[in-house]
Amino acid sequence: AQSVTQPDIHITVSEGASLELRCNYSYGATPYLFWYVQSPGQGLQLLLKYFSGDTLVQGIKGFEAEFKRSQSSFNLRKPSVHWSDAAEYFCAVGSNRDDKIIFGKGTRLHILP
Amino acid sequence: GAGVSQSPRYKVAKRGQDVALRCDPISGHVSLFWYQQALGQGPEFLTYFQNEAQLDKSGLPSDRFFAERPEGSVSTLKIQRTQQEDSAVYLCASSLDEAGNTGELFFGEGSRLTVL
Repeated sequence: AQSVTQPDIHITVSEGASLELRCNYSYGATPYLFWYVQSPGQGLQLLLKYFSGDTLVQGIKGFEAEFKRSQSSFNLRKPSVHWSDAAEYFCAVGSNRDDKIIFGKGTRLHILP
Repeated sequence: GAGVSQSPRYKVAKRGQDVALRCDPISGHVSLFWYQQALGQGPEFLTYFQNEAQLDKSGLPSDRFFAERPEGSVSTLKIQRTQQEDSAVYLCASSLDEAGNTGELFFGEGSRLTVL
């Protein structure tokens, strides 16, 4: 069965610092990979997605993620975080075998002024 | 409306009561998902519709949970004889794509259910 692991429950970074959120997936088929963000009181919003092709994908709000098949990872990065980036981030995986999209447990990002 | 609308936003039920949660997806969206999000957890898949057809209900935790989308638009998630472990935020998401695994999911703000 497919699964997603986000090893970090909480991450704290200073405003202006770089960010990397980790995501590892487990799935035998070709994965479709996603990052979603959930801000307080708001619904989840798609940041970026990977299906095929270039393994470095660009998303909204200055985020990017890199698919590394050998490491089964899809880490999210941002060169310089802003206070407004404080939120919960979810990695998710789908596949061409079924119609589910499975989410990780999330990483809560805290920003220090 | 422009986005996915869920109602009620908050529901408090006594243990044993039945509840119904409504989802109004974005007009024209083919795929519709229900997820359950417990406090501090990620969304857990419950069920998936393509138009009016319920193609996957493998995530429904028990036969007390029932979902329908009779006309391929609005969907209702019904929970019978609610238990305390049903307390969670229930998220609805819709997608324009027929394939539920590839499209961008647009989420509603959720319905927070508290069972006393």
